Amino acid sequence: RKEVEQDPGPFNVPEGATVAFNCTYSNSASQSFFWYRQDCRKEPKLLMSVYSSGNEDGRFTAQLNRASQYISLLIRDSKLSDSATYLCVVNNDNGGSQGNLIFGKGTKLSVKP
Amino acid sequence: DAGVIQSPRHEVTEMGQEVTLRCKPISGHNSLFWYRQTMMRGLELLIYFNNNVPIDDSGMPEDRFSAKMPNASFSTLKIQPSEPRDSAVYFCASSPGQGAWNEQFFGPGTRLTVL
Repeated sequence: RKEVEQDPGPFNVPEGATVAFNCTYSNSASQSFFWYRQDCRKEPKLLMSVYSSGNEDGRFTAQLNRASQYISLLIRDSKLSDSATYLCVVNNDNGGSQGNLIFGKGTKLSVKP
Repeated sequence: DAGVIQSPRHEVTEMGQEVTLRCKPISGHNSLFWYRQTMMRGLELLIYFNNNVPIDDSGMPEDRFSAKMPNASFSTLKIQPSEPRDSAVYFCASSPGQGAWNEQFFGPGTRLTVL
């Protein structure tokens, strides 16, 4: 099983649509979870951290389900500028390298007018 | 504020040549990470440093790859000799602490092509 697995997409949605991405992770000891955004030919940038109780930042909502080991990202009222690849990120807690993050390959989102 | 600085931005070289990639982390950050990104394998961690000391180099693919961090403001990733399969985008990132809850700030990357 891959450490962090995502549907590569692409998800093609119209402006204003609601879209959701899921991600599964294999290390049950992982404690830190994030969504990063990567625009075409650019570097990844942190979109939001994911907290156990779930968290919201404007149009973006992140959820964590530890029992099933999956993370979700919901984007409401999608904008053209949301078009990007969304990377699911989990820390690799093997007891000795807590600063080590594992990145999923990303889910590509394309928002159309 | 200056972000993470990487050079060169693009590098085209021939198989067998030595390649040196450079990174200047954000001032005050004490963790530095080198990643490689390809379509096939996504973003992979190669090595990371904390306070200039290598902590985990298990991602370094083989002996042809080496990384150094002689001081808090500079790191290099060297490939010698380079091979076509090393072609990728190499990112450097820094973060303010060692804990995995810290945001990592990425540089713009070096796009390496080995012919």
